[in-house]
Amino acid sequence: SQQGEEDPQALSIQEGENATMNCSYKTSINNLQWYRQNSGRGLVHLILIRSNEREKHSGRLRVTLDTSKKSSSLLITASRAADTASYFCATPRGDSSYKLIFGSGTRLLVRP
Amino acid sequence: EAQVTQNPRYLITVTGKKLTVTCSQNMNHEYMSWYRQDPGLGLRQIYYSMNVEVTDKGDVPEGYKVSRKEKRNFPLILESPSPNQTSLYFCASSTLGQPQHFGDGTRLSIL
Repeated sequence: SQQGEEDPQALSIQEGENATMNCSYKTSINNLQWYRQNSGRGLVHLILIRSNEREKHSGRLRVTLDTSKKSSSLLITASRAADTASYFCATPRGDSSYKLIFGSGTRLLVRP
Repeated sequence: EAQVTQNPRYLITVTGKKLTVTCSQNMNHEYMSWYRQDPGLGLRQIYYSMNVEVTDKGDVPEGYKVSRKEKRNFPLILESPSPNQTSLYFCASSTLGQPQHFGDGTRLSIL
C-alpha cells in the first residue's frame, strides 16, 4: 500500500519560478525522505527530515514537515531546466529504519 | 566512489528463460533491496536483505528469488520469467538510519 502520496502528479513551470510538491502519509513516522529521479536513471537522495524537525534546507531545496497533518512539502526555488525530473517522497515502513514506502512521484518539467 | 552497480542495464529475453540481475555495492552496507518501477505504480519492493544470509519478502515477491551470500552482492533471480515481469528494476543499499543509494536500473523486457 502507498504510504506517501505526492501532489501534484505533474507540474510544469518556467525556469526561474519556484516549484512546490506535496506529500501526504498515513501513519506516524520517524523520518521522511525526498528523492529525485532523472528519466531512466536511479533515484538520488535529496533530503531526510526527522520527525522532530519542521524545516530543512539544502541549497535551493526547502523541505517542511507537519506531523500533525501528516504532510511534507518540497520547495525548489529559482528552478532550472536541470531540475526536470520526478520527485518522490518516502517514509519508513513500520518500525523499520531500512524499509521505505515510496509514493508515485511528481513529474516536474522546467521549461527553459 | 560509493556506488551500487547493476548488470545488465538492459535485457530483452523470452518467457521461461532463467535470468539473473546482479547488484553489487561498495559501501559495506548491511541492508540491500530490490524494487520494480512500473508506470503509475511508483516503486514497489520485491525482496530485501538485512544482512548476509538474511532475506525477506517485500510487497511483490512472486516470481522472484534472491540470495545474500556476501555482504556486497544481492542478485535478483527470475527462474521462469513472464511478460508481467517486464519492468524497470532497481537495487538499493543503505546502512541504519541513512538514506538509500540506488543503482542506475535494469530495464527488462520479457517477450
